[in-house]
Amino acid sequence: GDSVTQMEGPVTLSEEAFLTINCTYTATGYPSLFWYVQYPGEGLQLLLKATKADDKGSNKGFEATYRKETTSFHLEKGSVQVSDSAVYFCALSLDTGRRALTFGSGTRLQVQP
Amino acid sequence: DGGITQSPKYLFRKEGQNVTLSCEQNLNHDAMYWYRQDPGQGLRLIYYSQIVNDFQKGDIAEGYSVSREKKESFPLTVTSAQKNPTAFYLCDSSTDRDLSGGYTFGSGTRLTVV
Repeated sequence: GDSVTQMEGPVTLSEEAFLTINCTYTATGYPSLFWYVQYPGEGLQLLLKATKADDKGSNKGFEATYRKETTSFHLEKGSVQVSDSAVYFCALSLDTGRRALTFGSGTRLQVQP
Repeated sequence: DGGITQSPKYLFRKEGQNVTLSCEQNLNHDAMYWYRQDPGQGLRLIYYSQIVNDFQKGDIAEGYSVSREKKESFPLTVTSAQKNPTAFYLCDSSTDRDLSGGYTFGSGTRLTVV
């Protein structure tokens, strides 16, 4: 079945450090890929998305590129802030079947001042 | 503003009780979904509905039930058959015609068995 694998956390960085959170996927078709962010006690917010190979999603300084050849969608940010501390989820969906999101297990990011 | 509203934010259930979690959206979205989140884990699909008066089981439907009588509403009932219901429950919706637009999530309901 379809699945998403993320690097385990927590990831602890100092402010202004470079961030990479790895995400790889397995899917039977051609999925859309997403990164969601969750702050404590809240729901999920869409951070960025990409719908086809080589697309780059970007938002708030975060970027991720849809790499079909490596089935990856790694999240990057050049300079993290304390306010970026949250849990980040990689997810995919297919435009056939149930069309629900399939999530990775999440990666907790802690940014220290 | 359009959005998706979950209520209540916190819910406490006694052993053997059924409880119902509310999910309402005013986005005119066709599809709605319920997920369960356990600490340190990703979200798992409980039930989904792609159209009014129709819904399907997800990956962990046992002990749960839903209805979809109106496009705007997709309530989830946690029955006494669900042996470990303590979790964070999230509802989301999407327009069936364009999934690339993403999914809109509610703020969640935290259910605790007391």
